[in-house]
Amino acid sequence: AQSVTQPDIHITVSEGASLELRCNYSYGATPYLFWYVQSPGQGLQLLLKYFSGDTLVQGIKGFEAEFKRSQSSFNLRKPSVHWSDAAEYFCAVGDGNQFYFGTGTSLTVIP
Amino acid sequence: DGGITQSPKYLFRKEGQNVTLSCEQNLNHDAMYWYRQDPGQGLRLIYYSQIVNDFQKGDIAEGYSVSREKKESFPLTVTSAQKNPTAFYLCASSTNTGTGEQYFGPGTRLTVT
Repeated sequence: AQSVTQPDIHITVSEGASLELRCNYSYGATPYLFWYVQSPGQGLQLLLKYFSGDTLVQGIKGFEAEFKRSQSSFNLRKPSVHWSDAAEYFCAVGDGNQFYFGTGTSLTVIP
Repeated sequence: DGGITQSPKYLFRKEGQNVTLSCEQNLNHDAMYWYRQDPGQGLRLIYYSQIVNDFQKGDIAEGYSVSREKKESFPLTVTSAQKNPTAFYLCASSTNTGTGEQYFGPGTRLTVT
């Protein structure tokens, strides 16, 4: 079965600092990759997705992610974090049948 | 506005009672999903449906049941057989199963005492 690993349970960054959230997946073929964000007590919102083509994808709210096939990774980045970015972030992979989610990374932003 | 609605936002039940969570979408999506979210465990798939009148078990289907009589609706019943039903439940839909991005509802927090 496919799996998604988010190694960092919790990350704390200062406002204005750069951010990178890690995601590794296990899947034989080229996967469909997603990053979602969740505010407390809310549903998930799509940040960005990768299906094919350019391995660097841009998303909403200034986020980007890079697909690296050799490392089976799809890390999320933001050059300058805002206090409003504090939330839970989930990486997900789709295999054409269903979706698989990582356990999430909780982001705290220090003023 | 298109989207997914889940009701109610909070639900309280006594142990031993069945309870049904509502999920409606007006996005014209074929696929719909139910996930359970517990702290530190991410999202776990309960059931999904690719088309009306058809659905498949996910990883943690025991103690749950679903129906898909209409394209727009995918209600989830948490039965008394579910040993630990207290959780946050999320409904989602997508144009294609396992490929198109998912759109999520706001969730229902179920508390069983």
